[in-house]
Amino acid sequence: DAEITQSPRHKITETGRQVTLACHQTWNHNNMFWYRQDLGHGLRLIHYSYGVHDTNKGEVSDGYSVSRSNTEDLPLTLESAASSQTSVYFCASSEPGPQYEQYFGPGTRLTVT
Amino acid sequence: AQSVAQPEDQVNVAEGNPLTVKCTYSVSGNPYLFWYVQYPNRGLQFLLKYITGDNLVKGSYGFEAEFNKSQTSFHLKKPSALVSDSALYFCAVRDNSGNTPLVFGKGTRLSVIA
Repeated sequence: DAEITQSPRHKITETGRQVTLACHQTWNHNNMFWYRQDLGHGLRLIHYSYGVHDTNKGEVSDGYSVSRSNTEDLPLTLESAASSQTSVYFCASSEPGPQYEQYFGPGTRLTVT
Repeated sequence: AQSVAQPEDQVNVAEGNPLTVKCTYSVSGNPYLFWYVQYPNRGLQFLLKYITGDNLVKGSYGFEAEFNKSQTSFHLKKPSALVSDSALYFCAVRDNSGNTPLVFGKGTRLSVIA
């Protein structure tokens, strides 16, 4: 069965370190998304991609970057981790077109100390 | 700009009673509306969506939602709640003009009490 996976599932890092969160999907979807989930804020969009070599900023993109070198993967990099980036991160993918739902990965819980 | 409001942070309902989780939206064009459910320590799972056609949409696990264009609402409903329905529910919207990301509400925590 097709799926979307994230790794690691849990990560503890120190302030100032660079961190990369992996997202891999086997749906062959062109669209991929990164969200963070925080209490009181719901889901907020960080970055998204509509295909290989395409990336776009979401509403909370500062301090984060993504790159899309193939269809299956969209890694999220925190350039210099800050305590404000402690959160749960979700990756999602979908087929192109507004009528299609997004499929979500299981999430990565990141703690920045 | 697109936006979603879920006016209740928490909804409590007794098992066997009907439940409603409210959602209102704002888009510039015609809306595509979605409901997702999140169980503890899990990702979001798709429940149902409204694209066009019948205003009453049926989805997974016995849930349904009613699209009301005049009230710009898309409330999630279930005739008889189960304890296992206890979870966090998210409403999401995008307009039909292009390939834009979903915009999510802040979520409503549903607690079904036995």
